[in-house]
Amino acid sequence: GDSVTQMEGPVTLSEEAFLTINCTYTATGYPSLFWYVQYPGEGLQLLLKATKADDKGSNKGFEATYRKETTSFHLEKGSVQVSDSAVYFCALYYASGGSYIPTFGRGTSLIVHP
Amino acid sequence: DSGVTQTPKHLITATGQRVTLRCSPRSGDLSVYWYQQSLDQGLQFLIQYYNGEERAKGNILERFSAQQFPDLHSELNLSSLELGDSALYFCASSLLGQGTDTQYFGPGTRLTVL
Repeated sequence: GDSVTQMEGPVTLSEEAFLTINCTYTATGYPSLFWYVQYPGEGLQLLLKATKADDKGSNKGFEATYRKETTSFHLEKGSVQVSDSAVYFCALYYASGGSYIPTFGRGTSLIVHP
Repeated sequence: DSGVTQTPKHLITATGQRVTLRCSPRSGDLSVYWYQQSLDQGLQFLIQYYNGEERAKGNILERFSAQQFPDLHSELNLSSLELGDSALYFCASSLLGQGTDTQYFGPGTRLTVL
């Protein structure tokens, strides 16, 4: 089935630094792509998504562009805050027998120091 | 608050026992997903239901089963528990279970098997 690969963490940054978390995918078609974030002690929540090639998802200063040429959906933020410390998951669904199977990357932990 | 509720928050039990985890989806959502999150395996998709019917299966063990009731709440049953089943179990819901759907995650149930 389709899959996603994320860069391993932890990623450690100082406040106001630029963030990139890499995500690449393998897919037979063109699935929608998602970034979810998990804050300590909580469930995952959607950060942003893109449903077709060249779409850019954005939310709370985070952005990611769906690039089919490089099969990537890298997450970026221009200036991180301590409150962005969390685990970030790249995800997609792949179509299988009329249903959609959710597939998540292993997650990338981000630690932002003041 | 995602609108998805899970009970109990914590569960401590012994090997060989059986437990039931409960999930109430967000109002209006017809699809429910179950996940297991552990440090070594990451976030693993277990099973999906849509409007009371099983829609997709992931890495769910035969000792585990689930169902979705007419009121759309769902239960995950784990039996013959082993130490390795200790993990966080998340429920998520989405509107229609489609490949573009956002999933809304509950806060999780932490299962400890002693």
